[in-house]
Amino acid sequence: AQKITQTQPGMFVQEKEAVTLDCTYDTSDQSYGLFWYKQPSSGEMIFLIYQGSYDEQNATEGRYSLNFQKARKSANLVISASQLGDSAMYFCAMRGLNRDDKIIFGKGTRLHILP
Amino acid sequence: DAEITQSPRHKITETGRQVTLACHQTWNHNNMFWYRQDLGHGLRLIHYSYGVQDTNKGEVSDGYSVSRSNTEDLPLTLESAASSQTSVYFCASSAGTEINEQFFGPGTRLTVL
Repeated sequence: AQKITQTQPGMFVQEKEAVTLDCTYDTSDQSYGLFWYKQPSSGEMIFLIYQGSYDEQNATEGRYSLNFQKARKSANLVISASQLGDSAMYFCAMRGLNRDDKIIFGKGTRLHILP
Repeated sequence: DAEITQSPRHKITETGRQVTLACHQTWNHNNMFWYRQDLGHGLRLIHYSYGVQDTNKGEVSDGYSVSRSNTEDLPLTLESAASSQTSVYFCASSAGTEINEQFFGPGTRLTVL
């Protein structure tokens, strides 16, 4: 069975510092995809970044990068130069790359950016 | 612009009543999903559909049903609402491509008294 673990229920970070949000996963699939979503206080779910298990380079999207360590089954999200607007709940998610594979989510990390 | 909408956004109902939450997407996506979000549990999959007339159970499907009669809509029905079904419900859709990024609706906050 697939599983996503986010061990940090909450984090406080000073504005402009870099942030690393931890995510480990467990799967027996050879091919899978990893996602990060942001949920601000308004409640909507915002897709941030995707990493395929076969991608050799870490994914990057603006200030977001995914530190993918396949052997350790780790897919940490790195936010560079954090901003007040980054305060939100962040979810790590995974799916296998077969048709019937659903996305499963971790329990989330609440990030607070301090001015 | 394409979008995914949910209605109602807020609903209060009583135990035992049937409730239907609507989800409508204009992305023309084949795949649609229903999740519930509860503190300490993240998002848990209730039901999902990979196309018209296709429906599948997720990890927390008991007490819920869905039907897919067209591409755009996947209504979620609580047959007999229970207080344990008080939650925030999210609908999502995806194109079914390899990345399969899911686009989420704004959510419905359901309270069962």
